[in-house]
Amino acid sequence: GDSVTQMEGPVTLSEEAFLTINCTYTATGYPSLFWYVQYPGEGLQLLLKATKADDKGSNKGFEATYRKETTSFHLEKGSVQVSDSAVYFCALSDRGETSGSRLTFGEGTQLTVNP
Amino acid sequence: GAGVSQSPRYKVAKRGQDVALRCDPISGHVSLFWYQQALGQGPEFLTYFQNEAQLDKSGLPSDRFFAERPEGSVSTLKIQRTQQEDSAVYLCASSLEGELFFGEGSRLTVL
Repeated sequence: GDSVTQMEGPVTLSEEAFLTINCTYTATGYPSLFWYVQYPGEGLQLLLKATKADDKGSNKGFEATYRKETTSFHLEKGSVQVSDSAVYFCALSDRGETSGSRLTFGEGTQLTVNP
Repeated sequence: GAGVSQSPRYKVAKRGQDVALRCDPISGHVSLFWYQQALGQGPEFLTYFQNEAQLDKSGLPSDRFFAERPEGSVSTLKIQRTQQEDSAVYLCASSLEGELFFGEGSRLTVL
């Protein structure tokens, strides 16, 4: 079945540092790939997505490129802020007739950014 | 409402009790999903509705778990005879076309 593997956390960085959170996936079809973010006390929010190979998703300074050859979708940001502290989830959707936009999530990576 | 609303936000149950968790999706959203998120883990799929039809319930962990969406809007997740391993955050999400919008979840603690 489909699966998503994220780098283990937690990750602690200083403000303005470069961020990479690794994500690799296994899927039988051609999935869409997502990064969701969960801020403390809030629900999951879509951060960015890519629907086909070589697509780059971007939002709020975060980027991720869909790499089919390495089955990866690593999240990057050039300069993190304290407000980026949250849990980040990589996910895939292998849309099926009876599964809709069902998502398979990774385990999440806790990011803490210190001033 | 503006977003997906779930209630109660927190529920403490004694082992063996039945619980019901409610989800109000975004108005007009056809698809509705339930996920279970254990502490420190990613959400795991439980079940999926398209309008009132439950198209996929393959993620429900046992026959103690039951979900319904009788009028194609509000959904209820019911857990019978709760066990300690049922302690988790239960997330509801709705979508119209593609993107899922999540509620804040219902945190269930079974003592």
